[in-house]
Amino acid sequence: GQQVMQIPQYQHVQEGEDFTTYCNSSTTLSNIQWYKQRPGGHPVFLIQLVKSGEVKKQKRLTFQFGEAKKNSSLHITATQTTDVGTYFCAGPDGAGSYQLTFGKGTKLSVIP
Amino acid sequence: DVKVTQSSRYLVKRTGEKVFLECVQDMDHENMFWYRQDPGLGLRLIYFSYDVKMKEKGDIPEGYSVSREKKERFSLILESASTNQTSMYLCASSLDPPGSASPLHFGNGTRLTVT
Repeated sequence: GQQVMQIPQYQHVQEGEDFTTYCNSSTTLSNIQWYKQRPGGHPVFLIQLVKSGEVKKQKRLTFQFGEAKKNSSLHITATQTTDVGTYFCAGPDGAGSYQLTFGKGTKLSVIP
Repeated sequence: DVKVTQSSRYLVKRTGEKVFLECVQDMDHENMFWYRQDPGLGLRLIYFSYDVKMKEKGDIPEGYSVSREKKERFSLILESASTNQTSMYLCASSLDPPGSASPLHFGNGTRLTVT
């Protein structure tokens, strides 16, 4: 079945430093979705990318979808303590599929 | 705003008990999902439903069943709870299939402990 790998598993940064998490799929994806889970919370949808090479920004967060639609990244500029949490990427098993496979997530800690 | 409500935040059950986890969504979404989340293993799909009375197995359906008698409600049933089913259970709903770029909306989760 499809596999979605995410690295790193953990990242500790000083407040103000940048952060990047990478996501790789074993298959070509119709879209990729990113979620954030705060400590003690539930995953919350951040964004989805659909087009090859697509780049989207949300304030300090930049999301990219690879040209081959098999990899993606999330970059946070100048981290803040409010960025703490686990970031998950997720890809469907196919176009129109109901099954969404999640990466294991990158847990971000921000040292004030 | 979509609201997905799970009936219990914490639950403690004994081995062998039948356990019901309830989930209700208020946005008339067609699709509902049950995931479990474990440290080091991430989120894994147990079952999903794309219509009333329709259900499909996910990646780890063994030991679980589901019920969807009404569009807004999706129940996860542990027929005979075992200690390896101790986990965080997350319910989610979506308007369209995730493969059509439709996001999942998650409930707050139920942390189940089986002793």
